[in-house]
Amino acid sequence: DGGITQSPKYLFRKEGQNVTLSCEQNLNHDAMYWYRQDPGQGLRLIYYSQIVNDFQKGDIAEGYSVSREKKESFPLTVTSAQKNPTAFYLCASSPRDRYEAFFGQGTRLTVV
Amino acid sequence: GQQLNQSPQSMFIQEGEDVSMNCTSSSIFNTWLWYKQDPGEGPVLLIALYKAGELTSNGRLTAQFGITRKDSFLNISASIPSDVGIYFCAGFTGANSKLTFGKGITLSVRP
Repeated sequence: DGGITQSPKYLFRKEGQNVTLSCEQNLNHDAMYWYRQDPGQGLRLIYYSQIVNDFQKGDIAEGYSVSREKKESFPLTVTSAQKNPTAFYLCASSPRDRYEAFFGQGTRLTVV
Repeated sequence: GQQLNQSPQSMFIQEGEDVSMNCTSSSIFNTWLWYKQDPGEGPVLLIALYKAGELTSNGRLTAQFGITRKDSFLNISASIPSDVGIYFCAGFTGANSKLTFGKGITLSVRP
């Protein structure tokens, strides 16, 4: 089945540790996105990538890093510099020729 | 930056009622998207709109792309309990642009 897979669904980390969230898609989509969701805040864009080996900061990129070495993969690292990392993280992808984005199931990160 | 405004934050309706939600912006958008999110899940695309004035239906859902390209609405007819969730509008301003989201409207349906 084609789709976007985020793993794991739930993630717990100790404060001060970096953690990497996985996002893989087999839809052959060119663009990929990472969003953070907090209650009442909607979806805020962290990073996005239109093509392999290129990515741009979104609205809240501080404390996060990404890579896009392969078209199908766009991992997000939450670094220790992120002051409030506990949140629901959503990955999405969209095809080049259609302005539609499709989401994974999300990863809920809890930092204690 | 571009912002999409959705209000109110929450809506409460009776099962069987129709409900309409607006999304507005001060910027022009080339594409409008409407999503529904269930608790703990990723948003699911409901309707995509590509042309100003376009009216599109998906079952009991109808959405329109405003003629000014700065707004869109979503209408749900004959609501049922499974319509409960958060409804987001989103949009692209053009090629290679980022996807911008509104803050969402939480819909509750009373049986």
